[in-house]
Amino acid sequence: QKEVEQNSGPLSVPEGAIASLNCTYSDRGSQSFFWYRQYSGKSPELIMSIYSNGDKEDGRFTAQLNKASQYVSLLIRDSQPSDSATYLCAVGMWPGSNTGKLIFGQGTTLQVKP
Amino acid sequence: DAGVIQSPRHEVTEMGQEVTLRCKPISGHDYLFWYRQTMMRGLELLIYFNNNVPIDDSGMPEDRFSAKMPNASFSTLKIQPSEPRDSAVYFCASSLTANSPLHFGNGTRLTVT
Repeated sequence: QKEVEQNSGPLSVPEGAIASLNCTYSDRGSQSFFWYRQYSGKSPELIMSIYSNGDKEDGRFTAQLNKASQYVSLLIRDSQPSDSATYLCAVGMWPGSNTGKLIFGQGTTLQVKP
Repeated sequence: DAGVIQSPRHEVTEMGQEVTLRCKPISGHDYLFWYRQTMMRGLELLIYFNNNVPIDDSGMPEDRFSAKMPNASFSTLKIQPSEPRDSAVYFCASSLTANSPLHFGNGTRLTVT
């Protein structure tokens, strides 16, 4: 089992719709969770971070965390063509001997069609 | 702040040659990470440092790979000898603390022929 799993997609949604991206992780001790966006040929850029169970909203983005189910998701409301990118889920696997270790999923490619 | 600075942006070399990738983290960040990204394997953690000390190098694929951080503002990733399967984009990233988000450099695209 991979440590961080995402559906590779592509996930295709029409402009203006809600895009839902999901991620599961294997280490119950994980304490920090991040969503990064990566455009083709560019480096990953941080969209959201979440550390506690529940929802965290920032503009059109909402991150949801459920530690009991080892599940984290990202919702993008009013999707725009400029949101088309690969979305990477990253999980911080600490504490423990590997404190500071941040593991990424394979990424989900999102296509927003005008 | 200038962000994480990596050099070179592109590197093309022949199999068997030594390759050195360089990284300058954001000033004040205690953690520095080296990742490798390929289509097949995604973004893989190679090694990370805390306060210039290597903490976990379990992701380093082989003894051909080595990384150093001689001071808080500079790190290198060296491949010797390089092989075609090392072709990938290598990212350096830094973070302020253990739980902080990573800030990525622009990456080095390595091509080994």
